[in-house]
Amino acid sequence: QVHLVESGGGVVQPGRSLGLSCAASGFIFSSYGMHWVRQAPGKGLEWVAVISYDGSNKYYADSVKGRFTISRDNSKNTLYLQMNSLRAEDTAVYYCAKWGAVTMSLDYWGQGTLVTVSS
Amino acid sequence: EIVLTQSPGTLSLSPGERATLSCRASQSLSDNYLAWYQQKPGQSPRLLIYGASSRFTGIPDRFSGSGSGTDFTLTISTLEPEDFAVYYCQQCNNVPYSFGQGTKLEI
Repeated sequence: QVHLVESGGGVVQPGRSLGLSCAASGFIFSSYGMHWVRQAPGKGLEWVAVISYDGSNKYYADSVKGRFTISRDNSKNTLYLQMNSLRAEDTAVYYCAKWGAVTMSLDYWGQGTLVTVSS
Repeated sequence: EIVLTQSPGTLSLSPGERATLSCRASQSLSDNYLAWYQQKPGQSPRLLIYGASSRFTGIPDRFSGSGSGTDFTLTISTLEPEDFAVYYCQQCNNVPYSFGQGTKLEI
């Protein structure tokens, strides 16, 4: 079965950097696009970024463009999100999610990792 | 950017009743790539409906989706206690793949 496990969350000061990882199993990772979605405490879902199956295409939400970088290592079945110049408003639970080639939606999600940006 | 507006913000119903949730897009979703997700407190979102009207694997048939263009609906025919949660729609037609603000379904 599909399994996605995020890691790397924690408390970080404004302006600093943090990197998240998402370990994937149970499917052919190198065949699917992958996304990051975040959820601020008590708020709704916000789409953050997507990367194509081979890493050649990447798109970002305007709110993170130029500060966040999505990447992947298909040899390690792992998705990454490098977050730079962090702001208080980046505080959220960050989920990785698998793109469904048939469903054209996010068909499986990880459990999320909490990032808190605070001095 | 496509903006999705969900209504109502909160829906108060009882088990056994029928729930109708709405999602309106600011521009037409030409391929009807509209998905619905359920999220319970402390849990990750779960895909319910994709392509506006197709149920995902393992989703009970009391959940159904309909609509096209700019207006979409999620219907839960007979509410079970476990259905009380927050529901989000998402458009997957164009980047950014925006979400609606959510509808909280409460008892």
